[in-house]
Amino acid sequence: KAGVTQTPRYLIKTRGQQVTLSCSPISGHRSVSWYQQTPGQGLQFLFEYFSETQRNKGNFPGRFSGRQFSNSRSEMNVSTLELGDSALYLCASSQDPPNYGYTFGSGTRLTVV
Amino acid sequence: QKEVEQDPGPLSVPEGAIVSLNCTYSNSAFQYFMWYRQYSRKGPELLMYTYSSGNKEDGRFTAQVDKSSKYISLFIRDSQPSDSATYLCAMTYTDKLIFGTGTRLQVFP
Repeated sequence: KAGVTQTPRYLIKTRGQQVTLSCSPISGHRSVSWYQQTPGQGLQFLFEYFSETQRNKGNFPGRFSGRQFSNSRSEMNVSTLELGDSALYLCASSQDPPNYGYTFGSGTRLTVV
Repeated sequence: QKEVEQDPGPLSVPEGAIVSLNCTYSNSAFQYFMWYRQYSRKGPELLMYTYSSGNKEDGRFTAQVDKSSKYISLFIRDSQPSDSATYLCAMTYTDKLIFGTGTRLQVFP
């Protein structure tokens, strides 16, 4: 059974640019969540999508957005990148309700220079 | 105040030791309690989850939840060098997963 796949694994972008990250959930999982992980703040919830609808949103600025497609694959976009956006971005998928926990991908390491 | 507090460590123990990892939380609405393990350059991996107060055992791992004290623990028996990782507690309600900051554990031979 394939796990959660995130692409790309590593990314280097310049301040002011925008970036799109991709996540393919486990087959049959319809919920996809995104998290930002930094050494100082730990894992912080960005947003969650279910059946192509954003169901929950964390406390991040509007520069962070996402979407989910009909096959449950999800993308997140960050516009006007700032140095502080450098982080590991993790995607997690789950059944609904997520009684059995969330399965994470290996993440995309974004570096903004 | 953060909803979930976790001692960041690091914790360094000899092989074979019993390890105790702990988290406290403030929101009584949390329903599910989980422990994740994260190796360097990897995503978190679910170790255990539990719903009710009490103990749940899985091999060398025991998860303990005390809802009255808003306190959860993970015990690792006979710790191995391969257990060296960051351990994150997590709790969920309304489909949002809230993590502790993680405790870095090193088990030396």
